[in-house]
Amino acid sequence: QQQVKQSPQSLIVQKGGISIINCAYENTAFDYFPWYQQFPGKGPALLIAIRPDVSEKKEGRFTISFNKSAKQFSLHIMDSQPGDSATYFCAASKMAGRRALTFGSGTRLQVQP
Amino acid sequence: ETGVTQSPTHLIKTRGQQVTLRCSSQSGHNTVSWYQQALGQGPQFIFQYYREEENGRGNFPPRFSGLQFPNYSSELNVNALELDDSALYLCASSLDRGSNSPLHFGNGTRLTVT
Repeated sequence: QQQVKQSPQSLIVQKGGISIINCAYENTAFDYFPWYQQFPGKGPALLIAIRPDVSEKKEGRFTISFNKSAKQFSLHIMDSQPGDSATYFCAASKMAGRRALTFGSGTRLQVQP
Repeated sequence: ETGVTQSPTHLIKTRGQQVTLRCSSQSGHNTVSWYQQALGQGPQFIFQYYREEENGRGNFPPRFSGLQFPNYSSELNVNALELDDSALYLCASSLDRGSNSPLHFGNGTRLTVT
């Protein structure tokens, strides 16, 4: 059962544009929602994370928007740069207990110069 | 500060064989998790170890087993390898098992089963 659905599968954006990646979750017990960035040959690296008590979190050019009632959250990358070209994964977990992250299937972002 | 290191980086095994993958946690981290990432997919949780005890397990058969040592390093063992076990195996460590502590991933071990 895929508990976190991510779209689109791939995304091409021009330099300076806005990249938007969407995720939807099913398990209402989830209350921690991180985004990870993965470059080829590397492990995932935490980019930004949000908890459901806020609707938006911004760190530099990266913003998470969270809609608890719709069980959806999204990543916005402002002023996208060629160096942002990577695969992005959304994830979700329960706060208490074990730290089992459930990942989405990933979005391959390509930022063209 | 040393990050999460995994060895080996690549490995080729034959179906039916056994394999051991190793992970050194980031300094000061006492919790280790293992994930399997198939090609083109997101990582899937295998299990987590906290202070040398298994602290949660995903939907993986018993032939996937692990260990955590007193220095918090860890091993993932897979018996009776199957072709579908071919994947990138990721180790992640965290300061504790609570969700206030983010996961730090290593670069993984690429396992190919032929």
